Amino acid sequence: QVRLQESGPGLLRPSETLSLTCTVSGTSVRSYSWGWIRQSPGKKLEWIGYIYYTETTHSNPSLNSRVSISVDTLKNQISLQLTSVTAGDTAVYYCARVEAGATPVYFDFWGQGTLVTVSS
Amino acid sequence: YELTQPPSVSVSPGQTARVTCSGDALPRQYAYWYQQKPGQAPLLVIYKDSERPSGIPERFSGSTSGTTVTLTISGVQAEDEADYYCQSADSSGIFVLFGGGTKLTVL
Repeated sequence: QVRLQESGPGLLRPSETLSLTCTVSGTSVRSYSWGWIRQSPGKKLEWIGYIYYTETTHSNPSLNSRVSISVDTLKNQISLQLTSVTAGDTAVYYCARVEAGATPVYFDFWGQGTLVTVSS
Repeated sequence: YELTQPPSVSVSPGQTARVTCSGDALPRQYAYWYQQKPGQAPLLVIYKDSERPSGIPERFSGSTSGTTVTLTISGVQAEDEADYYCQSADSSGIFVLFGGGTKLTVL
């Protein structure tokens, strides 16, 4: 059974870099594509980006160049970095498996999410 | 480009709930539906407009007509009370979009 577990610092200061890790079990990260989605408190889901198994990445234009997504095949993990965070980046961050065989892609398995708060 | 959903839908148990999602690119892009209960991660309930993943009850179905896709829940049960989000993409098919979500209340 596929399981995804996000981890990372729960509290950041403005201007710092958010670094999250998603540990995958039950499958190899090599075999699939992976994505990140976030949800601000009481608000809708917001797509952050995804990385294909070919390591090609796509990210939300609204986040400009602040987003970096990578895969560590040795640790079977996916990573997200978001630079220059502000209070507007406070959210629950989810990693998810991407079904890349469809267009557009969709997310068929999700982690439980991790809350990240940005505050001075 | 946006995907537009009604903020809320209310139905009595046993009735049929319909949640709509509108977007200009929907005639050309598949739509997907997720169920999210409080404190939980989203759960995929419909993919490729109308396909149901394994383990999702038959009462969940999806349909499409022009620029609108619809999630239908027949014979609504109390456990179906949740937020429902549609997902698709822009005309390129690359940039993912979520609708604003619809809160389904079972009266």
